Amino acid sequence: KAGVTQTPRYLIKTRGQQVTLSCSPISGHRSVSWYQQTPGQGLQFLFEYFSETQRNKGNFPGRFSGRQFSNSRSEMNVSTLELGDSALYLCASSLEGRDSVPDTQYFGPGTRLTVL
Amino acid sequence: AQSVTQLDSHVSVSEGTPVLLRCNYSSSYSPSLFWYVQHPNKGLQLLLKYTSAATLVKGINGFEAEFKKSETSFHLTKPSAHMSDAAEYFCVVIHTGTASKLTFGTGTRLQVTL
Repeated sequence: KAGVTQTPRYLIKTRGQQVTLSCSPISGHRSVSWYQQTPGQGLQFLFEYFSETQRNKGNFPGRFSGRQFSNSRSEMNVSTLELGDSALYLCASSLEGRDSVPDTQYFGPGTRLTVL
Repeated sequence: AQSVTQLDSHVSVSEGTPVLLRCNYSSSYSPSLFWYVQHPNKGLQLLLKYTSAATLVKGINGFEAEFKKSETSFHLTKPSAHMSDAAEYFCVVIHTGTASKLTFGTGTRLQVTL
C-alpha cells in the first residue's frame, strides 16, 4: 500500500504570494492532518480534516486554510506569505481519528517551503 | 492541557551501547503517547505507541518504551545502538477529546559514534 504523498516536495515563493500544498493520504484513510515544522517552534498542529470538514484547528492565523476532497485528498493554502512561513509542512493521515480511538497517524515526506 | 517534555535536546552514544531518550508527560487524563523518529530530510516514522494497554511497549527496530504513571514518564530505550539510529526523536501526546491533534515534544537528536 502506498504511503502518504505530498506535492511539491520543494517550493520557493516571495513575500506576499500565496501557495497551495497537496497531500494524498493512504488509501482508505479518511482523516488528514497538517503540521508545520520550524527550527524555532518545532512541530505545531495546523488543522485536521475528516469527511471534507475541518474537525480540529490549531493556533494559526486565518492566512492558513485547507480543504479536503471527497477522495480524502487534502490541500493546504497559505495566503500573503511572510518570511516566517518558511518551514517544512507535513501531512499525516489516519483511518478515522475518532476522539475515543487515537488511530496511528502516518506522515508524508513533507513540503519544504522557502519564502524569500 | 496535555504536554510532553523531552529532557535532553541532544544525546550521544557509541555504537553497540544502550540508548535512553527521556520523556515526561503532563496530562489530566490517561494519555495516549507515541514516539516518532525523523531522519534528515524525511517525514516522521512511528516507532511505537501506548494507548492504555500494556505499560511496556515494543516498537520497530528494537526500540521499546515503558509507561510509568507514578513518574509521568515514557522513556524510549534500545539495548544496542546502531549507526542507522542517528536521527531526531519526538515524544508525542494526543489531546484528550481531539484524537487527531498531536502535541509534540521539542525533540532529541541522537548521535551514534563509532
